[in-house]
Amino acid sequence: DTAVSQTPKYLVTQMGNDKSIKCEQNLGHDTMYWYKQDSKKFLKIMFSYNNKELIINETVPNRFSPKSPDKAHLNLHINSLELGDSAVYFCASSQSGVTEAFFGQGTRLTVV
Amino acid sequence: AQRVTQPEKLLSVFKGAPVELKCNYSYSGSPELFWYVQYSRQRLQLLLRHISRESIKGFTADLNKGETSFHLKKPFAQEEDSAMYYCALSGTSGSARQLTFGSGTQLTVLP
Repeated sequence: DTAVSQTPKYLVTQMGNDKSIKCEQNLGHDTMYWYKQDSKKFLKIMFSYNNKELIINETVPNRFSPKSPDKAHLNLHINSLELGDSAVYFCASSQSGVTEAFFGQGTRLTVV
Repeated sequence: AQRVTQPEKLLSVFKGAPVELKCNYSYSGSPELFWYVQYSRQRLQLLLRHISRESIKGFTADLNKGETSFHLKKPFAQEEDSAMYYCALSGTSGSARQLTFGSGTQLTVLP
């Protein structure tokens, strides 16, 4: 059973489009995250959600919006995509108080 | 603010040689430190954490609070160790706990 799963695995889209990436975890964790891995493999946190409340929001453009329908899901919506948004986006989850994070397989977003 | 620095972007060693991946951190509190590994086209996975003081796949890492370092070491590198390695620090940012990653070191073990 996959612990943290993301869909789609690959996403190619044109500039200006709006897209979503879905993430689900079946570990019963109460905290979920989105990370961006750029072309230089630098990994930066974008958002985290704990019990459906946003608790960390790094300085990302407001074109990016996380949405959590329940604590097992944290989806990432991106409006008006730009070339610079091309990257690999990783979803992760952890249990508050336990700091190990479990990662999804990543979504490679390419904006053309 | 918490920060993790991995000074080496790329590191190549020959099979059987010792390897050390450097990690330094900046954090005002008591940190929890981790090493994550990402094999080619796979997800990030936890390699080891400092509180466990364990050896995983022959790798060890010791937290040196005086030098604020958490270097990853292995006495005899294997080709299957080739991967991207990330040092990470878990600390509190405001009321939330945050996992901050270094920029990563790409390790290549040559035959």
